[in-house]
Amino acid sequence: EPEVTQTPSHQVTQMGQEVILRCVPISNHLYFYWYRQILGQKVEFLVSFYNNEISEKSEIFDDQFSVERPDGSNFTLKIRSTKLEDSAMYFCASRVGTSQETQYFGPGTRLLVL
Amino acid sequence: GQQLNQSPQSMFIQEGEDVSMNCTSSSIFNTWLWYKQDPGEGPVLLIALYKAGELTSNGRLTAQFGITRKDSFLNISASIPSDVGIYFCAGQLIGSARQLTFGSGTQLTVLP
Repeated sequence: EPEVTQTPSHQVTQMGQEVILRCVPISNHLYFYWYRQILGQKVEFLVSFYNNEISEKSEIFDDQFSVERPDGSNFTLKIRSTKLEDSAMYFCASRVGTSQETQYFGPGTRLLVL
Repeated sequence: GQQLNQSPQSMFIQEGEDVSMNCTSSSIFNTWLWYKQDPGEGPVLLIALYKAGELTSNGRLTAQFGITRKDSFLNISASIPSDVGIYFCAGQLIGSARQLTFGSGTQLTVLP
């Protein structure tokens, strides 16, 4: 069964460093998402991406964040200058793009900013 | 933004018991979804509800989309140890990028 994959599974970085989280959505899906889950809290929407551009973003997704689909398979989230409060699980999700369908989530990347 | 109130926050039940959890919102959603999350993993879709009043089952799981479109419940019958995990409801708006708004989760513990 096709699934969303994410790399790395864990990342530890120093505050102020740039990180890139990678995702490979399900191959025939057209809509892509990033979500964040701070430890012990609920999953929060960051950004959605369709047709090579951001379609919607939350207030969390500030200028430190960017997304890109550099090729036909990868979807990346870049955090330009990490802060301690960026420590969280980051989930990528994708959906096909028809009228009634759901989002499928990857296993997540656990980011720890020291 | 939209807020989902999910309850209960946690549950401790005996194996074999039935479980019920629910979500309510002040906003109308066009789709309700229920996910289960195991520690260190991503949410896994359990049930998707697309129409107000819809009642859908997936094995021992049953979920309903409230008539007002502002609530949903999930029932688990005859719980087993592998049901342990965090259950999240999520609402999805139509006409937007269809991002999900998640509830705060229900931590389920099944005692043998």
